[in-house]
Amino acid sequence: SQKIEQNSEALNIQEGKTATLTCNYTNYSPAYLQWYRQDPGRGPVFLLLIRENEKEKRKERLKVTFNTTLKQSLFHITASQPADSATYLCALDMSRNRDDKIIFGKGTRLHILP
Amino acid sequence: DGGITQSPKYLFRKEGQNVTLSCEQNLNHDAMYWYRQDPGQGLRLIYYSQIVNDFQKGDIAEGYSVSREKKESFPLTVTSAQKNPTAFYLCASSIDRDSYEQYFGPGTRLTVT
Repeated sequence: SQKIEQNSEALNIQEGKTATLTCNYTNYSPAYLQWYRQDPGRGPVFLLLIRENEKEKRKERLKVTFNTTLKQSLFHITASQPADSATYLCALDMSRNRDDKIIFGKGTRLHILP
Repeated sequence: DGGITQSPKYLFRKEGQNVTLSCEQNLNHDAMYWYRQDPGQGLRLIYYSQIVNDFQKGDIAEGYSVSREKKESFPLTVTSAQKNPTAFYLCASSIDRDSYEQYFGPGTRLTVT
């Protein structure tokens, strides 16, 4: 079955530095990969979607890379701020399994230290 | 404002009682989803619906039921058959079956004692 792995430990980053979060997957080749932000007690919020034929996608201070050979996506937040502290989830589409859903990783909790 | 609403935010029930969680969207989205989130766990799909009057089981549908009589509404019933119902429940929608970007509601935290 498909498996998604994100950094299980919380990540502590000093304010102003770049935070890098990892999403690894196995047993599947998604057509898309997405990243969401979730704050405590709230629903996730969509951030970025990257397609398999895209190596990199940017949005303001966010950058996502997608390496289909390594089966890995990296999510970067540059010039990090305390307000970036949250849990970040990656998600894969299941369209190649003829499935109309996406599956989520458990998320990585990010703390930006002032 | 467009968006997804879930009510109530917190819900308490006694074991053995069925309970229905509300999910409404005014985004004119065709597809809607219900997820369950437990501490330290990822989102697990309970049920999803691509169009009105049609829905499919997700990975953990046992003990749950849904209906999709209107495009805007996708209520979830947690039945007494669900062995561990206490959890954070999230409803989401997407434009259609080919759009994978999902918009989430604020969630309902259900506690069953």
